[in-house]
Amino acid sequence: QVQLQQSGPGLVKPSQTLSLTCAISGDSVSSTSTAWNWIRQSPSGGLEWLGRTYYRSRWYSEYATFVRSRATINSDTSKNHFSLQLKSVTPEDTGVYYCARDLPRAAAEGLYNTFDSWGQGTLVTVSS
Amino acid sequence: EIVLTQSPATLSLSPGERATLSCRASQDLSSYLAWYQQKPGQSPRLLIYDASNRAAGIPARFRGSGSGADYTLTISSLEPEDVGVYYCQQRSNWPLTFGPGTKVYIK
Repeated sequence: QVQLQQSGPGLVKPSQTLSLTCAISGDSVSSTSTAWNWIRQSPSGGLEWLGRTYYRSRWYSEYATFVRSRATINSDTSKNHFSLQLKSVTPEDTGVYYCARDLPRAAAEGLYNTFDSWGQGTLVTVSS
Repeated sequence: EIVLTQSPATLSLSPGERATLSCRASQDLSSYLAWYQQKPGQSPRLLIYDASNRAAGIPARFRGSGSGADYTLTISSLEPEDVGVYYCQQRSNWPLTFGPGTKVYIK
């Protein structure tokens, strides 16, 4: 059974970079049947997909339009984890950040864009 | 962007009662809709994918139905542990979007 364990600071100053890591157990970050996502939840409860990384003969990283210029998602196969960096944060980036696995299926069928396993969440507050 | 509207915003029922949650989209989703449950203090959990498929380990009392732009999550007999917020999510078009949620309480 896959487990996702998140780590990273809960407080980030405005204009600085938010950095979070998601360690995977029970699956592989380089699996060709899934993708690894970051999703955040605002203080009011709204959920937003931020981006993902996945491996299909080479690595891909894709981002939501509203964070594309600020976000970087990388993977580390030696540690079997993936990470999110969000630069130039503002108080509007405050929220709970989750890592999540895409529902697995054969690579030829494409990504499911549905999330079947989630990390425990990290509350990130952007404040000076 | 596809907008998802969930109703009711809150639902308060007694144990054993049937709960009916609605998710309406701003356009046809071709059944590419999922439902998640988020219990207090926990991460979301996938219940239903592609409108009517139960995810692994999800009890049979959870049933998804619908087509086009209108979808329903039915909990046939509410249990105390079903308290939480239920979200729908579409994967029909980019960007992926979530509904605002329905909060379920137990009387």
